[in-house]
Amino acid sequence: ETGVTQTPRHLVMGMTNKKSLKCEQHLGHNAMYWYKQSAKKPLELMFVYNFKEQTENNSVPSRFSPECPNSSHLFLHLHTLQPEDSALYLCASSQDQTGVGNTIYFGEGSWLTVV
Amino acid sequence: AQSVTQLDSQVPVFEEAPVELRCNYSSSVSVYLFWYVQYPNQGLQLLLKYLSGSTLVKGINGFEAEFNKSQTSFHLRKPSVHISDTAEYFCAVSLTGSNYQLIWGAGTKLIIKP
Repeated sequence: ETGVTQTPRHLVMGMTNKKSLKCEQHLGHNAMYWYKQSAKKPLELMFVYNFKEQTENNSVPSRFSPECPNSSHLFLHLHTLQPEDSALYLCASSQDQTGVGNTIYFGEGSWLTVV
Repeated sequence: AQSVTQLDSQVPVFEEAPVELRCNYSSSVSVYLFWYVQYPNQGLQLLLKYLSGSTLVKGINGFEAEFNKSQTSFHLRKPSVHISDTAEYFCAVSLTGSNYQLIWGAGTKLIIKP
């Protein structure tokens, strides 16, 4: 069983829909991340939460809205997405954001298709 | 700007043959170096990392990597691959003093031929 669980694993949504991706980590970590993975491109860091506070927003469009109610849960709310937003969205966690050489633990990802 | 280059998008190799996956980075400050692996339909997991000390780092599943500061490289090697090594491999660099945010390469798909 993975220490980072993402649901749903697959999501198809229309451009006018509102949906959410959910992530839960069972590792006792304090930092959680959202990454976007597109084919043949480096992983794109979207958001970072450290001790429930958002510390990074890498110029992500406002149609993506993160929420971190506690250190174990992370959501990505999706609203009026574009077809180019179709990708694998990976949630990850680590002990904290600033630890030297901290290992990042990833979930299996949520495949998002925008039609 | 700092960057990570994985020179090969795909590497085909016969089973039981050796393999080297190349990773080069550009940075003007000290770095920490990582290799992650992504098996089909799974998330990424850590293979190995270099923080300090010996430049030869051993990881899981028989992989090792060598940090070469003068060539700014961190190539991944395995002396004999198995079909189960089929995966995508990602090199990443963390800069000191940058909140340790990772900079990722685009990945190399290792294709094992029977």
